[in-house]
Amino acid sequence: EVQLVESGGGLVQPGRSLRLSCTTSGFAFGDYAMSWFRQAPGKGLEWVGFIANKLHGGTIQYAASVQGRFSISRDDSKSIAYLQMNSLRTEDTAVYYCTKDSHGYFPERGFDCWGQGTLVTVSS
Amino acid sequence: DVVMTQTPLSLSVTPGQTASISCKSSHSLVHTDGKTYLFWFLQKPGQPPKLLIYETSTRFSGVPDRVSGSGSGTDFTLKISRVEAEDVGVYYCMHAIQLPRTFGQGTKLEIK
Repeated sequence: EVQLVESGGGLVQPGRSLRLSCTTSGFAFGDYAMSWFRQAPGKGLEWVGFIANKLHGGTIQYAASVQGRFSISRDDSKSIAYLQMNSLRTEDTAVYYCTKDSHGYFPERGFDCWGQGTLVTVSS
Repeated sequence: DVVMTQTPLSLSVTPGQTASISCKSSHSLVHTDGKTYLFWFLQKPGQPPKLLIYETSTRFSGVPDRVSGSGSGTDFTLKISRVEAEDVGVYYCMHAIQLPRTFGQGTKLEIK
């Protein structure tokens, strides 16, 4: 069974950093791209970024709203994806989800498995 | 960025009836490979989103055939036939034609 579990969320002050982890099991992690999404309280879904698999050079792309502040990485030996969040702002408050993409780079068949999410609250 | 516009934003349907949700994109979602990368997700209360439809009309594994997607270019529709209590939640369309991936605002489906 494919499982994704996010961790690392919590309350953090503006300007500080936080690292989220997405621990996975049940599939060949190295074969797939991984994406991050977020959902502010009571709001819709927002794409944050993705990291391709090694076969596709581990390409990483970000939404403009997080470019330069957030960074995505992966450890294929541990089947974990990370989202490093720096210079956090109050508007970054959201539930953060990681997803397994359907392919190694382009999500032809979508984002077929989502974690339960982890809440990040940025507040002083 | 591609703007995705869903209508209606809320929908109240009698059990057994059909629900229909529209999603319009500001740009064509037809890829150079000829496929159209439009997805539908359902987010039930307190849960993460789940994939329902990919490539406009292909149901993801385990999705009942009461759920169907259609459309082309910039106009897309999700239909849920014979609506049941388990169908309540917020439905989102999303594209993958370019970066950034963007979603519609969501359509909340309630049961009368």
